[in-house]
Amino acid sequence: EAGVAQSPRYKIIEKRQSVAFWCNPISGHATLYWYQQILGQGPKLLIQFQNNGVVDDSQLPKDRFSAERLKGVDSTLKIQPAKLEDSAVYLCASSLDGLKEETQYFGPGTRLLVL
Amino acid sequence: SQQGEEDPQALSIQEGENATMNCSYKTSINNLQWYRQNSGRGLVHLILIRSNEREKHSGRLRVTLDTSKKSSSLLITASRAADTASYFCATDRGFNKFYFGSGTKLNVKP
Repeated sequence: EAGVAQSPRYKIIEKRQSVAFWCNPISGHATLYWYQQILGQGPKLLIQFQNNGVVDDSQLPKDRFSAERLKGVDSTLKIQPAKLEDSAVYLCASSLDGLKEETQYFGPGTRLLVL
Repeated sequence: SQQGEEDPQALSIQEGENATMNCSYKTSINNLQWYRQNSGRGLVHLILIRSNEREKHSGRLRVTLDTSKKSSSLLITASRAADTASYFCATDRGFNKFYFGSGTKLNVKP
């Protein structure tokens, strides 16, 4: 079974530029999550999708961050414009249906450095 | 921290020794899960313990949960150099919405 795929693995941009990350979840997984992990901290949930609908985006900085999952499969997370404090690893995870306790499977992450 | 706090922040032991790390949380939960993260990699699920369970085992891993104290512990027995990683607890308050602690960085010296 293929795991969660993410790209790019690394990205360096200057502040005020925009950046986009892509995630392909495990086939058949209805629920997709984006997390932000700042160095030395645990992952923080940014947004949770159930199929192509948003379940929770309460911790997403909506003035600069946006995410979509148009066909209920792949997802993109965008930052526009980026700030220095956005430097972090962005992790994508997926789970089977998100409606009952279950394991989340994580991708390798995209490491973002904002200069 | 959003929810959980791991203790200690860092732990260094010799191969063959046991490693214990603790997680405390603030509100009621449905379940608690432990994940491992190797440097520069994604998180790997280790074990899930439900709120009505007190102890679970998986290979060299033993997890306990005390809901009255809002705490959990992860014990790794007979540690190996390959166990070197950061360990995170994640609490689930419903609908698989996880809150992660800040992690314990474990170093197992060969």
